Amino acid sequence: GENVEQHPSTLSVQEGDSAVIKCTYSDSASNYFPWYKQELGKRPQLIIDIRSNVGEKKDQRIAVTLNKTAKHFSLHITETQPEDSAVYFCAATWGSGGGADGLTFGKGTHLIIQP
Amino acid sequence: GAVVSQHPSWVICKSGTSVKIECRSLDFQATTMFWYRQFPKQSLMLMATSNEGSKATYEQGVEKDKFLINHASLTLSTLTVTSAHPEDSSFYICSARDGTSGLQYFGAGTRLSVL
Repeated sequence: GENVEQHPSTLSVQEGDSAVIKCTYSDSASNYFPWYKQELGKRPQLIIDIRSNVGEKKDQRIAVTLNKTAKHFSLHITETQPEDSAVYFCAATWGSGGGADGLTFGKGTHLIIQP
Repeated sequence: GAVVSQHPSWVICKSGTSVKIECRSLDFQATTMFWYRQFPKQSLMLMATSNEGSKATYEQGVEKDKFLINHASLTLSTLTVTSAHPEDSSFYICSARDGTSGLQYFGAGTRLSVL
């Protein structure tokens, strides 16, 4: 089955700086890679996703890059703000629509934005 | 956006009793729903895949006789934790896959505490 590794487990950055979280996956059949933001005790919220036919996707301050050859993908948050503080999870799965199988999650990164 | 309703949000029960958790897709049809479990400060782990009208598929290590899943309609899946024990205490989250977009949407989660 799929295995997703995520680093770092904790990331502390100054407000306004950029944050980068990296994930690797093991199953070359995976073709859909979402990123979720989860605040304490709440449901994961999809913040951005990328499919395997795309190398990069951007949505305002958030971007995701995918390297299929190396089987890794990264989340980039620029101009970080206090409300970006949360736990971020990467995930991988396969399916034509982007989620035919259940998601395999990374272990999560606790992002702390220092004022 | 798509809404997934999960109830109850919090349940406390005595050891040995059974607890039922409901997951509903409110504005779309979900042929597939997924059940995840999340222990404190850990990632989400897929427990099972629930397909409407057929038996659920369980991940390795998840006891199907303990975690009963029923997906009787295109908008409702239930997870019953039978003969619950303190080690079953966890945060249980469902997700529903929109058959049109393929995206997964999460419920708000159920915090189960077994005394």
